[in-house]
Amino acid sequence: GAGVSQSPSNKVTEKGKDVELRCDPISGHTALYWYRQSLGQGLEFLIYFQGNSAPDKSGLPSDRFSAERTGGSVSTLTIQRTQQEDSAVYLCASAWVAEQFFGPGTRLTVL
Amino acid sequence: AQTVTQSQPEMSVQEAETVTLSCTYDTSESDYYLFWYKQPPSRQMILVIRQEAYKQQNATENRFSVNFQKAAKSFSLKISDSQLGDAAMYFCAYRSAWSGGSNYKLTFGKGTLLTVNP
Repeated sequence: GAGVSQSPSNKVTEKGKDVELRCDPISGHTALYWYRQSLGQGLEFLIYFQGNSAPDKSGLPSDRFSAERTGGSVSTLTIQRTQQEDSAVYLCASAWVAEQFFGPGTRLTVL
Repeated sequence: AQTVTQSQPEMSVQEAETVTLSCTYDTSESDYYLFWYKQPPSRQMILVIRQEAYKQQNATENRFSVNFQKAAKSFSLKISDSQLGDAAMYFCAYRSAWSGGSNYKLTFGKGTLLTVNP
C-alpha cells in the first residue's frame, strides 16, 4: 500500500514568511508524529497526534510553530515568521502500534 | 529523560564483510522498544529492525541482527554480507512502552554514516 507522503519535497522561503508543510499518513494509522532533522540538533520530536485526543505539543520549539490534523488523517505543520534557524528537514511519521513509518521529509531552507 | 548515544560518527566496511554499529542508551524504565532506522540520501527513514526490551532473544531480519544487552543498556546492529545498498546513515532510536503523551515519541541517536566499499 501507499506509504507516508509529504509535500512539498523542498521549500525555499524568505525570512519572515509563513510556510505550511503537509503530511499524508498511511491509511488507518491513528498516530502521527512530526520530527525535525537539523545538522546541529539531530532528530527532534515536535508534536504527536493520537486519534481524536488533544495533541502533545511538548516538542514545539516556539509559538511560531503549530500543527493540526484534520479528520484524523492529513496533518499540516505551520511555521510563522520563519527564521534562518528553522532551516531543516521536517519529517512526518505515522504509526498503528510500535513502529513508526516515515515520509520522505520536506527540506525547508530559510534565506 | 532518555538519551541515546551512537559513538561512531562514521564506519566503513568492504562489500560482503560484516560490520557492527554501536548504540547505548540511558533510561530508568523497564519496558521499552529499541529500533534501528536507515536513512539513505533520499532522506526516507526505513525501519531496519525492532527489539522489545522484555524479550531476551535478539531480533534478526535477514542480514541484520542485534545484540541487545539490557543490563548494559547496549543495542548494537550487525550487518552481515554487506551490500552497496546498505550505505546510509543509521540511527538508533528508543521508545517508551508506557502509554500517554510524548512517551510514544522516538528519541534518536546522532547517527552513524556507513560507507560500503566495493
